[in-house]
Amino acid sequence: GQQVQQSPSSLVLQEGENAELQCNFSSTATQLQWFYQSPGGSLVSLLSNPSGTKHTGRLTSTTVTKERRSSLHISSSQTTDSGTYLCAIDRGNNNRIFFGDGTQLVVKP
Amino acid sequence: EAAVTQSPRNKVAVTGGKVTLSCNQTNNHNNMYWYRQDTGHGLRLIHYSYGAGSTEKGDIPDGYKASRPSQENFSLILELATPSQTSVYFCASGDGLGGGDTQYFGPGTRLLVL
Repeated sequence: GQQVQQSPSSLVLQEGENAELQCNFSSTATQLQWFYQSPGGSLVSLLSNPSGTKHTGRLTSTTVTKERRSSLHISSSQTTDSGTYLCAIDRGNNNRIFFGDGTQLVVKP
Repeated sequence: EAAVTQSPRNKVAVTGGKVTLSCNQTNNHNNMYWYRQDTGHGLRLIHYSYGAGSTEKGDIPDGYKASRPSQENFSLILELATPSQTSVYFCASGDGLGGGDTQYFGPGTRLLVL
């Protein structure tokens, strides 16, 4: 079965609204990363957050390790936030990362 | 300056032909990875490497070979390309520290096999 499941699969917001993206994983993770993939395809790491809460700019990630879930909160969304957000876990035994299928976010002006 | 680069960025190949995708990293990371991404899906691991001279099979290695001749370079080789290998391929490097690996990605290569 799939190691990482993300929800929702897609999300449409008006500019200024907040977004809440979810990531659930089926095995213990020693590392969890959130990535942003632009509409052009480039991948950028946003946050590494294996446990607890982490902030960067308008992004907040909260990972509850024992419940095998993580969330990414985007506050005051902007049209430039549009793209796909990917969650990935590393179980730490051989440095292999497993990706979810992503949440496609569209922020309308 | 981009730390992980890929070439070519776009490639059109014919069925049965040989395709080599190249990746170079200047992060001095031990670990390197090749993924493919199909439309609407996340990335799937094809091959990876722990260092020069090492290659390991990922989750979908069939039809692909890999080569890691140096710390900086990691190639993905399709000996006999098939249309099912049409995809976007991403290379990444990782530091592999602390029991987890933060990975840094290249810009991707779009491969079309006709």
